[in-house]
Amino acid sequence: AQSVTQLDSQVPVFEEAPVELRCNYSSSVSVYLFWYVQYPNQGLQLLLKYLSGSTLVKGINGFEAEFNKSQTSFHLRKPSVHISDTAEYFCAVSDYGTGGFKTIFGAGTRLFVKA
Amino acid sequence: KAGVTQTPRYLIKTRGQQVTLSCSPISGHRSVSWYQQTPGQGLQFLFEYFSETQRNKGNFPGRFSGRQFSNSRSEMNVSTLELGDSALYLCASSPEGREGGEQFFGPGTRLTVL
Repeated sequence: AQSVTQLDSQVPVFEEAPVELRCNYSSSVSVYLFWYVQYPNQGLQLLLKYLSGSTLVKGINGFEAEFNKSQTSFHLRKPSVHISDTAEYFCAVSDYGTGGFKTIFGAGTRLFVKA
Repeated sequence: KAGVTQTPRYLIKTRGQQVTLSCSPISGHRSVSWYQQTPGQGLQFLFEYFSETQRNKGNFPGRFSGRQFSNSRSEMNVSTLELGDSALYLCASSPEGREGGEQFFGPGTRLTVL
């Protein structure tokens, strides 16, 4: 069975500082990995995804993530954050079986960027 | 392409009532999933519909039900509302068969039960 653990529930950081949001997963099969962002009073939108190929994935708004199969991790990074990055971030794992794609979301990490 | 739309955006009901929420997926998407999001429980999967059939189901009581129409639009219904049903209900559609299960979310319906 799949599971997703986001290791930090809240991450406060100063503007222009780097940030890393951590995500570990467990699965017995090949998976697809996603990071979504949710701004207040909105739905989730895709930041980036890993389907196959290069383990370093670049997304929107300057975010990137690295797939590490041996450590079963998919940490999200940004070298310099802005106030507008304040939001909740969700890591998700998906695999394909008889019931189509099944996706599990992590509990979310609230990123708070301070001036 | 238009995104996923959900109606209504906000809803206030009282305990014991029932409610129906609507979701229109992105054109061409046949998979529609529903989630409940609360501050305490996070994002919880309710069910997924594909080609008018419920394909996957989360761990919610039978008061929560859904359906999907031939045009892929979906509705979810909650009967005998309880205070704990107050939440943001998110709908997501997916382009089955590619993109690894990527989901496209609507803005949600904020349900408040008094």
